[in-house]
Amino acid sequence: KNEVEQSPQNLTAQEGEFITINCSYSVGISALHWLQQHPGGGIVSLFMLSSGKKKHGRLIATINIQEKHSSLHITASHPRDSAVYICAARIRGGADGLTFGKGTHLIIQP
Amino acid sequence: DGGITQSPKYLFRKEGQNVTLSCEQNLNHDAMYWYRQDPGQGLRLIYYSQIVNDFQKGDIAEGYSVSREKKESFPLTVTSAQKNPTAFYLCASSIFWTEQFFGPGTRLTVL
Repeated sequence: KNEVEQSPQNLTAQEGEFITINCSYSVGISALHWLQQHPGGGIVSLFMLSSGKKKHGRLIATINIQEKHSSLHITASHPRDSAVYICAARIRGGADGLTFGKGTHLIIQP
Repeated sequence: DGGITQSPKYLFRKEGQNVTLSCEQNLNHDAMYWYRQDPGQGLRLIYYSQIVNDFQKGDIAEGYSVSREKKESFPLTVTSAQKNPTAFYLCASSIFWTEQFFGPGTRLTVL
């Protein structure tokens, strides 16, 4: 079982809808990252969280350490938000690199 | 402009040949990483380096080798011992324990 699980795997929504992507993890972590990957393959870091909530434009990321759960929200979604969103954790006591979820493929239709 | 470059974007090699993927950064980051991405799977850590002349194995290091002779450069060699080398390879860098910056990736196809 992967230490970092994401849901849903695929999500199609209409423009303007509020989007939620979930991430759960089964081990202790020191930080949780949300990343965005576009069709060409390039990855952009959206957020790094260790507690609470962060907001950037229409994107909001939250984390609940006790429940080992994080969510990424997109408000007023737009077709340009279509991408793969990836949750990744820095495992406490583990290697310096990240452990990744499999990603959520989001399509926003006009 | 600061960033991470990987070259080439697409690489084709014959089975049994070693191949080296380039990763260069001008962000003055100490830590650098190599990840592999396969369809339907999450990225997996191959090797990482926290300082020049030192590197550590990640989860799937078998069949790969790296060097870190300069702070800016962290090349990855895919050897003939790697059983299934066809994949998308991503390099990243960071200041310790902060967000990671990713390169554009190299798509390696072994024929």
